[in-house]
Amino acid sequence: GAVVSQHPSWVICKSGTSVKIECRSLDFQATTMFWYRQFPKQSLMLMATSNEGSKATYEQGVEKDKFLINHASLTLSTLTVTSAHPEDSSFYICSATPDRANYGYTFGSGTRLTVV
Amino acid sequence: QKEVEQNSGPLSVPEGAIASLNCTYSDRVSQSFFWYRQYSGKSPELIMSIYSNGDKEDGRFTAQLNKASQYVSLLIRDSQPSDSATYLCAVNRNFNKFYFGSGTKLNVKP
Repeated sequence: GAVVSQHPSWVICKSGTSVKIECRSLDFQATTMFWYRQFPKQSLMLMATSNEGSKATYEQGVEKDKFLINHASLTLSTLTVTSAHPEDSSFYICSATPDRANYGYTFGSGTRLTVV
Repeated sequence: QKEVEQNSGPLSVPEGAIASLNCTYSDRVSQSFFWYRQYSGKSPELIMSIYSNGDKEDGRFTAQLNKASQYVSLLIRDSQPSDSATYLCAVNRNFNKFYFGSGTKLNVKP
């Protein structure tokens, strides 16, 4: 159990365009999902907490107008990178858990974004 | 001070040896602790969770937690080349936000 699906697994886009990444909890409902970014050879950095039915909570230094998060249902959160630039190229990963007290968080497979 | 600190490594051990990975955390109110394994280009996968002081064993893996010293470790017995990866320590407060260490790269040599 506790499967998190992320799509697409990789995407290449032109500078200035927008890219949407989907994160789904397949066998459980998730009122909260987390979005991380990981640059090469660096650790995971939390970008934002996605809350079902309400606004996302962004970490300090993360532009909320650039990284739009929508958590419209208990099984789906989306991250849209707007007006992407080469410096946004990174590995984006979402995570969620069916039971915060008894499970670790499960990660999606990640999305490799390359902006050219 | 970082929330979670790990030695970046690489830690090299011969096949069959015990690999010992260490992690310290800064916030005493941290409640739950996790070890993740991440292969290059892949997302992390959960190996172990530990909530109470002492040892927790799962197959070849043993997690050790010492809250007084704010220290958590992972032992891998009978290390295999397939264990070669980056190991991330994660600390959770109030079962909510995770803080990750920068990871320790483990190389198991055949």
